[in-house]
Amino acid sequence: RKEVEQDPGPFNVPEGATVAFNCTYSNSASQSFFWYRQDCRKEPKLLMSVYSSGNEDGRFTAQLNRASQYISLLIRDSKLSDSATYLCVVTPNQAGTALIFGKGTTLSVSS
Amino acid sequence: DVKVTQSSRYLVKRTGEKVFLECVQDMDHENMFWYRQDPGLGLRLIYFSYDVKMKEKGDIPEGYSVSREKKERFSLILESASTNQTSMYLCASRSSGYEQYFGPGTRLTVT
Repeated sequence: RKEVEQDPGPFNVPEGATVAFNCTYSNSASQSFFWYRQDCRKEPKLLMSVYSSGNEDGRFTAQLNRASQYISLLIRDSKLSDSATYLCVVTPNQAGTALIFGKGTTLSVSS
Repeated sequence: DVKVTQSSRYLVKRTGEKVFLECVQDMDHENMFWYRQDPGLGLRLIYFSYDVKMKEKGDIPEGYSVSREKKERFSLILESASTNQTSMYLCASRSSGYEQYFGPGTRLTVT
């Protein structure tokens, strides 16, 4: 089983749609969780952290289910500018070691 | 703002050449990383370093070496470039917190 798995997509949605991405991770001892965003031909950048209590940043909501080892990202009222690849990221149980990146889910929002 | 810079955005080298990719960060981060990113394969960790002169192999270290003589600088070396090392190379740095900052990437073509 791969450490972090994501549906690669692409997800093609119209402007204004709500879209959800899912991610599963294999190491139950993983400590921290993130979503990164990568625009075409650009470097990945942190979008938001993911907490067990869930967190929201404007149109973006992230959820973590530790029991199911499952992370989600919900984007409401999609904009053209949301078109990008979204990377699910997990930290292992040791501080200072490398983050583990999923392969990413591609979103394309059209007018 | 954290800044991670890479020596070149685009590089073309011949098979068998020794290639140096340089990365510099300006935020006194302990941890630095080198990844390559290929379509369909996502980000793959080549090497990382958690301190000066310290290095750890990532998932795909074969054909690469690294050097970290100063805290702010982490170099990736391709001892004898091969065509299968044509890729996007991304450097990143991170403090003891978990947000990871990436450089803009070097697109290397080996002919």
